[in-house]
Amino acid sequence: EVVLTQSPATLSLSPGERATLSCRASQSLSIYLAWYQQKPGQAPRLLIYDASIRATGIPDRFSGSGSGTDFTLTISGLEPEDFAVYYCQQRRNWPPRLAFGGGTKVEIK
Amino acid sequence: EVQLVESGGGLVKPGGSLRLSCAASGFTFSGHTMNWVRQAPGKGLEWVASITVSSSYIFYADSVKGRFTISRDNANNLLFLQMSSLRAEDTARYYCARDISSGFTSAWYFDFWGQGALVTVSS
Repeated sequence: EVVLTQSPATLSLSPGERATLSCRASQSLSIYLAWYQQKPGQAPRLLIYDASIRATGIPDRFSGSGSGTDFTLTISGLEPEDFAVYYCQQRRNWPPRLAFGGGTKVEIK
Repeated sequence: EVQLVESGGGLVKPGGSLRLSCAASGFTFSGHTMNWVRQAPGKGLEWVASITVSSSYIFYADSVKGRFTISRDNANNLLFLQMSSLRAEDTARYYCARDISSGFTSAWYFDFWGQGALVTVSS
């Protein structure tokens, strides 16, 4: 079973600052990792898949990088609407054993 | 516009059963793998189950295997989750989610989500 560990648990930043979120896997995932954003009372929204591909309609201030066991989500300049919880999600090739990390909350400092 | 609308949630006693439905519209339902993901109150996301386009392949999380059954009705654009032998730890909001890939390949990422159905297991 692949375990995803997200850090930090909470990130306190001001609007306009750069956010760097980490997701570490217990086994190599190649590039098979996604990032989601979830705001209170809302369903999650897909931001990034296959480690670095932005989903449709996602602003280019969101970028993903990494491969193997270490992945990063970067938000280049925080907008007020970006304060939320972010989850990473892995997929194994076959059979798919999908799992999410524990989440990183990005809060206003 | 893609829409996923869950229904069937509610309060059920431990050991009881419940069936969730997800009505899909705005896309070719029969062309996408579909999934259930849940979120316990104040907690993170947990994948529950997936079903491929023609129901050829079905996968479950270990935590629900043998108790939950995922199915789909492509003629009526419906996804189901039959839940039995429910436990307190199954209390969560259950989201229906679409796989980003269409056709007979699955990407195993979720690009559209419903608003969820709340299931509470309590005596």
